Amino acid sequence: DVKVTQSSRYLVKRTGEKVFLECVQDMDHENMFWYRQDPGLGLRLIYFSYDVKMKEKGDIPEGYSVSREKKERFSLILESASTNQTSMYLCASSLVRQDGYTFGSGTRLTVV
Amino acid sequence: AQSVSQHNHHVILSEAASLELGCNYSYGGTVNLFWYVQYPGQHLQLLLKYFSGDPLVKGIKGFEAEFIKSKFSFNLRKPSVQWSDTAEYFCAVNGDAGNMLTFGGGTRLMVKP
Repeated sequence: DVKVTQSSRYLVKRTGEKVFLECVQDMDHENMFWYRQDPGLGLRLIYFSYDVKMKEKGDIPEGYSVSREKKERFSLILESASTNQTSMYLCASSLVRQDGYTFGSGTRLTVV
Repeated sequence: AQSVSQHNHHVILSEAASLELGCNYSYGGTVNLFWYVQYPGQHLQLLLKYFSGDPLVKGIKGFEAEFIKSKFSFNLRKPSVQWSDTAEYFCAVNGDAGNMLTFGGGTRLMVKP
């Protein structure tokens, strides 16, 4: 089975801190995604990547950046954390569009 | 741009009741459609998917969904729910523009024993 591993299950950070969320997948998938999940809003796409060093903005990229230096790793960066970025962050990967995604377990980030 | 609507935000059923969760999407081209489930405290898992062929697709745990192209719908059904089906359900679509999925707002299902 494909595994998508997110480094932290829970994080608490202070306003203004720079935050790194790490995601690693072990099945050589080219496509990787970052979503945030909020009650009633479902999942909203922040950034995605189709290849190493490639990134594309999703629907809500403001306040975030990403890095993909290696195929298996896709990092989400909050440049200066704010309280409205308190959320569940989900990483996913896929091989081809018909397969859908494999998700990680998520990182619940609280910004205080 | 593609979008997905799930009209039922919360559903409460008794065990053995039948389930139908609505999902409508807006996209004019070819679509792939998915239902994901998130059990309490767990990661999102794929329930079923449609990309071509028979519009009635069967997934895991007795779930099925029907793609009705004329109605832009992909409703999820199960004839008889169990307490263990308590979860949040998400419908998702990707159009022919790329690999990214657009998700609906989710439906929280509670099944009373």
